[in-house]
Amino acid sequence: EDQVTQSPEALRLQEGESSSLNCSYTVSGLRGLFWYRQDPGKGPEFLFTLYSAGEEKEKERLKATLTKKESFLHITAPKPEDSATYLCAVQGSGAGSYQLTFGKGTKLSVIP
Amino acid sequence: NAGVTQTPKFQVLKTGQSMTLQCAQDMNHEYMSWYRQDPGMGLRLIHYSVGAGITDQGEVPNGYNVSRSTTEDFPLRLLSAAPSQTSVYFCASSRTVNQPQHFGDGTRLSIL
Repeated sequence: EDQVTQSPEALRLQEGESSSLNCSYTVSGLRGLFWYRQDPGKGPEFLFTLYSAGEEKEKERLKATLTKKESFLHITAPKPEDSATYLCAVQGSGAGSYQLTFGKGTKLSVIP
Repeated sequence: NAGVTQTPKFQVLKTGQSMTLQCAQDMNHEYMSWYRQDPGMGLRLIHYSVGAGITDQGEVPNGYNVSRSTTEDFPLRLLSAAPSQTSVYFCASSRTVNQPQHFGDGTRLSIL
């Protein structure tokens, strides 16, 4: 059974204070690891897909990295508009290969 | 560019009532899915479809039915609503099962 654990559950940062969110996973044959951003009252918005260990992707102040056991979402010099819940999900190649398994998310608050 | 459209946005039901949550996408995506999101839990897959006429169960299918008669539409039916089905329901679609999913903005359902 695929599992995803995100930490911390909540994170408060001052504007400009860089940090990282963690996503630990167990999966039978990783087909893809996905990061999403979710704003209150909205559906998740796709950010990145990572497919293999060592892969990195960047978008503005966000950078996602992947190892064989975890992924990090690095936030550099965050702004208040980066406040949201960040979700991590994995897709394996086992019996549930048509499904995404989501973590519970990290709620990020960036204080001006 | 509408993307994934869910209706209604809010709904209150009484225990035992039935209803259909609507989901439509205009991106010609083959893969569509329904999730529920509850406080303190990750998104959980209810049902999914890899194409018109093909549906399958996800992690939490009990109490729900789906059908996929067209590529565009993927309605979710609650057969006899129960308070445990109070949740936020999200529909998502992607070009194929391996591609990032695009989410609608959800239906907030309360069952009294």
